[in-house]
Amino acid sequence: GAGVSQSPSNKVTEKGKDVELRCDPISGHTALYWYRQSLGQGLEFLIYFQGNSAPDKSGLPSDRFSAERTGGSVSTLTIQRTQQEDSAVYLCASSLQRNTGELFFGEGSRLTVL
Amino acid sequence: RKEVEQDPGPFNVPEGATVAFNCTYSNSASQSFFWYRQDCRKEPKLLMSVYSSGNEDGRFTAQLNRASQYISLLIRDSKLSDSATYLCVVKDSNYQLIWGAGTKLIIKP
Repeated sequence: GAGVSQSPSNKVTEKGKDVELRCDPISGHTALYWYRQSLGQGLEFLIYFQGNSAPDKSGLPSDRFSAERTGGSVSTLTIQRTQQEDSAVYLCASSLQRNTGELFFGEGSRLTVL
Repeated sequence: RKEVEQDPGPFNVPEGATVAFNCTYSNSASQSFFWYRQDCRKEPKLLMSVYSSGNEDGRFTAQLNRASQYISLLIRDSKLSDSATYLCVVKDSNYQLIWGAGTKLIIKP
């Protein structure tokens, strides 16, 4: 499995609960991105990591959203006190470095907030 | 005005036809350009980069017009398997990737 791996693939949760989404990028890829995609919509940028640091958090929709990356590898996106409008597919992508436009995406985590 | 704009479609095209999409971008300092393909309920995948002189990959041709700030994608001899949403991506001078909302293509037998 040399691709980007995301888990869980599907998550159903109740409004107000916290959720954690995990992304395991391609080995050696220093850049990691989180996007959100609602049904029938385009990609919404959330956050970008270069190594373990996040120089661009501009897309996080609110302070309920946070993300971290450890060891320059696995990243976790955490959504606290989920709301129904958080329902979407959360896509993680990695690339060898930032100045390339070739992103490799995982299959996404589909989040449904009831 | 959105930074990257695409006609959402859908484009309904008979198999074997030629189809073309355009994508316009607002930042004249944009550096690099890409087309991605996204199948229904799947993740986006890079289709091709767009080079200044234009480039071709089999049935697919990409072109860049910097003066008018648009890129195009031409698909010749379309196949049923070309049905997908095609996403235009522009990299700006700060290395940020700006994504279009996509153009949906449906190839009909």
